Amino acid sequence: GQQVQQSPASLVLQEGENAELQCNFSSTATQLQWFYQSPGGSLVSLLSNPSGTKHTGRLTSTTVTKERRSSLHISSSQTTDSGTYLCASGNSGTYQRFGTGTKLQVVP
Amino acid sequence: ETAVFQTPNYHVTQVGNEVSFNCKQTLGHDTMYWYKQDSKKLLKIMFSYNNKQLIVNETVPRRFSPQSSDKAHLNLRIKSVEPEDSAVYLCASSFDWDQDTQYFGPGTRLLVL
Repeated sequence: GQQVQQSPASLVLQEGENAELQCNFSSTATQLQWFYQSPGGSLVSLLSNPSGTKHTGRLTSTTVTKERRSSLHISSSQTTDSGTYLCASGNSGTYQRFGTGTKLQVVP
Repeated sequence: ETAVFQTPNYHVTQVGNEVSFNCKQTLGHDTMYWYKQDSKKLLKIMFSYNNKQLIVNETVPRRFSPQSSDKAHLNLRIKSVEPEDSAVYLCASSFDWDQDTQYFGPGTRLLVL
């Protein structure tokens, strides 16, 4: 079945620096989503990007489907960006698999 | 207020008992989901459901079952809980079947003694 690996496992940044998070998945996926989980545990969907490049606010995701990888770029990081970023991939009609996440800490 | 609501927030029970968690969304979405997040924070989707199709993660034990009365409600029943069922259960919904932009509830934390 689909395996999803994320890197790095953890990352510490100074406020204002950019972050680059990676997601690799083991087989062709028609769905690719990035999620954010706050330190308190609440989960939100950030981006759905099965292919190409997508922007929302300070977030940019680039997915190269044939290379089975996706990245999430966070520009000008803020302390409120601290939390865990999860990548999930899957195919339409089947369930998603999640990576183990990248824990981001942004310090002032 | 439009959102995803879950009850209870927290539930403690003993091995072998039956539990049921409720989820309601007032977003007018057609698709709902149940996720399990274990103590290591690993997130796993359990069920995806709309009025046309139920997709089950085949790794989910049979004692788990989704129950839906209408598209705004998707409850989760666990017939006979086991210690490894202790986790946070998250409910989510999305407008369409492609799981784009899911909205999550606050979660139900289950502790099985």
